[in-house]
Amino acid sequence: DTAVSQTPKYLVTQMGNDKSIKCEQNLGHDTMYWYKQDSKKFLKIMFSYNNKELIINETVPNRFSPKSPDKAHLNLHINSLELGDSAVYFCASSQEMTSGGSDTQYFGPGTRLTVL
Amino acid sequence: AQKVTQAQTEISVVEKEDVTLDCVYETRDTTYYLFWYKQPPSGELVFLIRRNSFDEQNEISGRYSWNFQKSTSSFNFTITASQVVDSAVYFCALGSTQGAQKLVFGQGTRLTINP
Repeated sequence: DTAVSQTPKYLVTQMGNDKSIKCEQNLGHDTMYWYKQDSKKFLKIMFSYNNKELIINETVPNRFSPKSPDKAHLNLHINSLELGDSAVYFCASSQEMTSGGSDTQYFGPGTRLTVL
Repeated sequence: AQKVTQAQTEISVVEKEDVTLDCVYETRDTTYYLFWYKQPPSGELVFLIRRNSFDEQNEISGRYSWNFQKSTSSFNFTITASQVVDSAVYFCALGSTQGAQKLVFGQGTRLTINP
């Protein structure tokens, strides 16, 4: 069974469209994340949710809206897509460490978004 | 602010050679976590190791070993007797114990193992 899954794997769309990427984890983790990997392979956190509550929002344009219907799912909706949104988007999950700390984050396979 | 630097952008070696990937980090936290991830050509991110800043013991897992030196803020990764399947982009990352969990990644090192 896939631990962290994302759909779709590839997404090609026109500028100005709205699209969503879905993420599901079956690891029983409390925290989920979205990361963006740009064309130079640089990975940067976008959002983090803990038990459906937004924890991190790293100065991402408000065209990006994460939604967590339950702690196993974290979807990413993007409005009015721009050329610069083209990237690989990774979902990840980890267990919350109540004592503080960074537990291991397990990543999904990534979604390659191409905006034409 | 937290920062991770992987100064080696690309490394190319011949199979069976040993290779070391460098990672230098900056943090004001007294406790933190360090990670290495592998991204093969297929694109997924594969977890390799997590290390707590309190634990400076080096770790070995098969052909992989990690050298953590707090004095120089480095967490280097060595592959012994490299194989073609080791070809990938390798990322070093830093996690905080303060506030929300997030990973700050280095720029990655592209490792090519030639047959």
